[in-house]
Amino acid sequence: DQQVKQNSPSLSVQEGRISILNCDYTNSMFDYFLWYKKYPAEGPTFLISISSIKDKNEDGRFTVFLNKSAKHLSLHIVPSQPGDSAVYFCAASLSGTYKYIFGTGTRLKVLA
Amino acid sequence: NAGVTQTPKFQVLKTGQSMTLQCAQDMNHEYMSWYRQDPGMGLRLIHYSVGAGITDQGEVPNGYNVSRSTTEDFPLRLLSAAPSQTSVYFCASSYKVGSYNSPLHFGNGTRLTVT
Repeated sequence: DQQVKQNSPSLSVQEGRISILNCDYTNSMFDYFLWYKKYPAEGPTFLISISSIKDKNEDGRFTVFLNKSAKHLSLHIVPSQPGDSAVYFCAASLSGTYKYIFGTGTRLKVLA
Repeated sequence: NAGVTQTPKFQVLKTGQSMTLQCAQDMNHEYMSWYRQDPGMGLRLIHYSVGAGITDQGEVPNGYNVSRSTTEDFPLRLLSAAPSQTSVYFCASSYKVGSYNSPLHFGNGTRLTVT
């Protein structure tokens, strides 16, 4: 049973526009959420995180939104750049379990 | 500061062979873990360790062994390789177990093919 789901395998966005990547989770006890970016032949790199006590966290062009009642988080990238083209993974963790559960990833393509 | 280093980058094994995937980190991180990435499956946790001498199973531990004798190293052993273990393997570490603002840092992966 997939506890963290990314239902869109791929997304294409025009350069300069907003990219919105979505992630749903099933365990309401998760209290820490992260987004990672992965380029081909490289390991995932950390982008941004949010704890369950917040509903928004910003870092430059990247903003993560958390809707606990809907068990949904999203990553907004504004403005999107061609270098943002990568696979994006969301992940969730529950304090004390020492496990990070990842989604299946969304491939973002930013068109120049 | 090299971060998380994985060796080898590529490996081809025959069914039944054994091998060890190496992982080392130089950031003095408590927590280390192994993931495998398969198409359509995302990243799945194999084993993890919260400190030297302490290991535990993740989502998909069967067919793999781990040990953690030092803070720096966390090798993953395949005792008898099977074609189902063809995958890309990532090692990851973090500074403080279960702490906010302590994300995982990943190595660049080992691509394993079992024929």
